[in-house]
Amino acid sequence: GEDVEQSLFLSVREGDSSVINCTYTDSSSTYLYWYKQEPGAGLQLLTYIFSNMDMKQDQRLTVLLNKKDKHLSLRIADTQTGDSAIYFCAPVTGRRALTFGSGTRLQVQP
Amino acid sequence: SQTIHQWPATLVQPVGSPLSLECTVEGTSNPNLYWYRQAAGRGLQLLFYSVGIGQISSEVPQNLSASRPQDRQFILSSKKLLLSDSGFYLCAWSRSRDRGDNEQFFGPGTRLTVL
Repeated sequence: GEDVEQSLFLSVREGDSSVINCTYTDSSSTYLYWYKQEPGAGLQLLTYIFSNMDMKQDQRLTVLLNKKDKHLSLRIADTQTGDSAIYFCAPVTGRRALTFGSGTRLQVQP
Repeated sequence: SQTIHQWPATLVQPVGSPLSLECTVEGTSNPNLYWYRQAAGRGLQLLFYSVGIGQISSEVPQNLSASRPQDRQFILSSKKLLLSDSGFYLCAWSRSRDRGDNEQFFGPGTRLTVL
């Protein structure tokens, strides 16, 4: 079945860039999403990329997609303490529509 | 605009007691609806999804069930809770699956603790 993997934890200093990586197995994924979950809250859509794109930039966020390697990354420039959260990679897959990775907990140190 | 509500926000229940969590969506019609569970420190596990009234698909076998009595209402239930049912339950909706994007919009969640 579909599988989405992410590293569990990332720690960066405030002002540095953060890069969160994700690998997936379903090569037919058309849209690939990044969601953010703050403590005790639901998920908020951060950004997404369509599968015919290699890169998408949205203010401090840059999404890179390598379809050949089935690798997706989210780069956050000038990381702030308010960026501390869990980030989920979620490609659209055929049967269940979205498959979520386990999430990467980003800790931003002042 | 569309909104999604869940209640209760938190719940503490003894083992063996019943459960009913409710999710309602406003501002859209015929949404796809989803129930997810997030165990402590872990990712999201899809439990159920529904593409219409009375249409429920179960993703994992367990002692939970779901129902959709109305177009914009999705209920998660259990007859007898287990300790392992503790977690954060998230409801989500999306537009028609005929679209390719299937962006999902999440509710605020219900934190369930089974003692």
